[in-house]
Amino acid sequence: AQSVTQLGSHVSVSEGALVLLRCNYSSSVPPYLFWYVQYPNQGLQLLLKYTSAATLVKGINGFEAEFKKSETSFHLTKPSAHMSDAAEYFCAVNSLTGGGNKLTFGTGTQLKVEL
Amino acid sequence: KAGVTQTPRYLIKTRGQQVTLSCSPISGHRSVSWYQQTPGQGLQFLFEYFSETQRNKGNFPGRFSGRQFSNSRSEMNVSTLELGDSALYLCASSPGTGRPYEQYFGPGTRLTVT
Repeated sequence: AQSVTQLGSHVSVSEGALVLLRCNYSSSVPPYLFWYVQYPNQGLQLLLKYTSAATLVKGINGFEAEFKKSETSFHLTKPSAHMSDAAEYFCAVNSLTGGGNKLTFGTGTQLKVEL
Repeated sequence: KAGVTQTPRYLIKTRGQQVTLSCSPISGHRSVSWYQQTPGQGLQFLFEYFSETQRNKGNFPGRFSGRQFSNSRSEMNVSTLELGDSALYLCASSPGTGRPYEQYFGPGTRLTVT
């Protein structure tokens, strides 16, 4: 079964500092990987996706992620954190079963941005 | 295009009752998936509907059911509610054909069971 693991349930950075949120995947087939962000009392917003076209994926709000097969990782980064980035971030893999959609999520990382 | 809409946004029910949640996908999307989010179990997949047929199912008891209409709108029903069913229920839509497209989520329905 495909799965993702997010290391660090809470990450704290200073405004302007690098953001690095970690995600490792387990998959026997080429995975389709996603990062979502969730603000309080809201649904999930797609940040970016990896679908094998390019290993470095750029998303919205200045985020990007690099797919590294050798490390089975898909870490999310942003060069300079902003207060508005404070939210919960989820890594997910699309577990294709019978040709459909089924996202398996990591446990999430709460990002705190401090002045 | 309008995004995914879910109604109602908030709901309070009593144990033993049943509840129906509604989801309208993005126009043109034929796949609708449902997820349950709780502090203890995180985000868990309930089921996916595509062209009015359940295409995939998660590991939830039969009390959780759903359906999809010809206009792709979907409903989810939970019967005989338990306290543990209190959660944020999220609906997501995608085109549903070809390679696995990203799924777009609605704002969710917050269900509280007392």
